[in-house]
Amino acid sequence: GNSVTQMEGPVTLSEEAFLTINCTYTATGYPSLFWYVQYPGEGLQLLLKATKADDKGSNKGFEATYRKETTSFHLEKGSVQVSDSAVYFCALSDRSGSRLTFGEGTQLTVNP
Amino acid sequence: DTEVTQTPKHLVMGMTNKKSLKCEQHMGHRAMYWYKQKAKKPPELMFVYSYEKLSINESVPSRFSPECPNSSLLNLHLHALQPEDSALYLCASSHRLAGAKLSYEQYFGPGTRLTVT
Repeated sequence: GNSVTQMEGPVTLSEEAFLTINCTYTATGYPSLFWYVQYPGEGLQLLLKATKADDKGSNKGFEATYRKETTSFHLEKGSVQVSDSAVYFCALSDRSGSRLTFGEGTQLTVNP
Repeated sequence: DTEVTQTPKHLVMGMTNKKSLKCEQHMGHRAMYWYKQKAKKPPELMFVYSYEKLSINESVPSRFSPECPNSSLLNLHLHALQPEDSALYLCASSHRLAGAKLSYEQYFGPGTRLTVT
């Protein structure tokens, strides 16, 4: 079956630091890949997506590249802000689109 | 517009109560989902409706009863819940046809925080 493995948190950074959150996956076929962010007390927001190998998703300074050879979709941001403090979930969707498989989530705290 | 709305935002209910959660989207999506999320965990899929028909039930106890009155609305009826059912309940929608391309991303609502006493 499909699975997603995220780096364990929590991750604590200072403002303007570089962020990487690792995500690797196991899936049959060619899944779509997503990063969702959840701020305290809120639902999940789609942060970025990639639907095929070598696609780069980007949004709000965050980027992730769909690497089929390493089955990875690592999230990066060059300079984090306090407002980026949240839980980040890596997820994949099979081609039917009916199911999202989530990683366990990574708690990010950015200190001023 | 990528908005999914959910009501109520918070709900406290006793184990003998009957209540309903509501979800609405106006994005033309034809698939809608209910998830349950416990603290510090990813969402767990409960139900999927596709074209207003129940297509997936993840062996959810019968005290949870979903309903899809039309393509924009999704309800979750609750009856005789247990304290361990306390969680954040999230609704999502997906499958927007953009030209000939099917989009698989799911858009989530803000959730209903349910407490069962």
